[in-house]
Amino acid sequence: SAVISQKPSRDICQRGTSLTIQCQVDSQVTMMFWYRQQPGQSLTLIATANQGSEATYESGFVIDKFPISRPNLTFSTLTVSNMSPEDSSIYLCSGRLAGNTQYFGPGTRLTVL
Amino acid sequence: AQKVTQAQTEISVVEKEDVTLDCVYETRDTTYYLFWYKQPPSGELVFLIRRNSFDEQNEISGRYSWNFQKSTSSFNFTITASQVVDSAVYFCALSEARWVGANSKLTFGKGITLSVRP
Repeated sequence: SAVISQKPSRDICQRGTSLTIQCQVDSQVTMMFWYRQQPGQSLTLIATANQGSEATYESGFVIDKFPISRPNLTFSTLTVSNMSPEDSSIYLCSGRLAGNTQYFGPGTRLTVL
Repeated sequence: AQKVTQAQTEISVVEKEDVTLDCVYETRDTTYYLFWYKQPPSGELVFLIRRNSFDEQNEISGRYSWNFQKSTSSFNFTITASQVVDSAVYFCALSEARWVGANSKLTFGKGITLSVRP
């Protein structure tokens, strides 16, 4: 298994600002992912964070809004840019280990006012 | 395209009752993985089990058991003698079984909210 930490655990932000969420894995993983979970909903994949190359975004998500970095095999960041109240969600990162099993961080609860 | 259906949205039981959470999936892949995750009120997504498409053997882990049936494309989860601490949202998920470096996405169901009353 893997232990994944995220910072911050929660934040309240003003409309129009940006927030960067950090994700740290305790072991090297080939694939890291970022998800959004809106209140009372399931998880939606935002993008796959690729080490050494640009992230791969899912339909409906763009790099200008959700820039992602992955400088090494244990760390990634997701920035939520120019935030609006619709961005209020839980943001979760995951790392994938053998057997395609993804382990998740505790999530970042974001509220945009 | 892959799809995971969790038809039950909310289940409420009294402590010590058995409860089964249903999961039906769709995929064109012949090789795939199925997962169950638990999300307690704290919000963290906790991995419970992974099953690959070649292994239809049912599994039991303490009070938890899983019934995988390819013939009906189902992967159901039973909690025996439920406890208040089992109260959480439970997600079933599906992914292709690709090599480690490939991008293999998880497709989640909508989740089932389980409430266990004392």
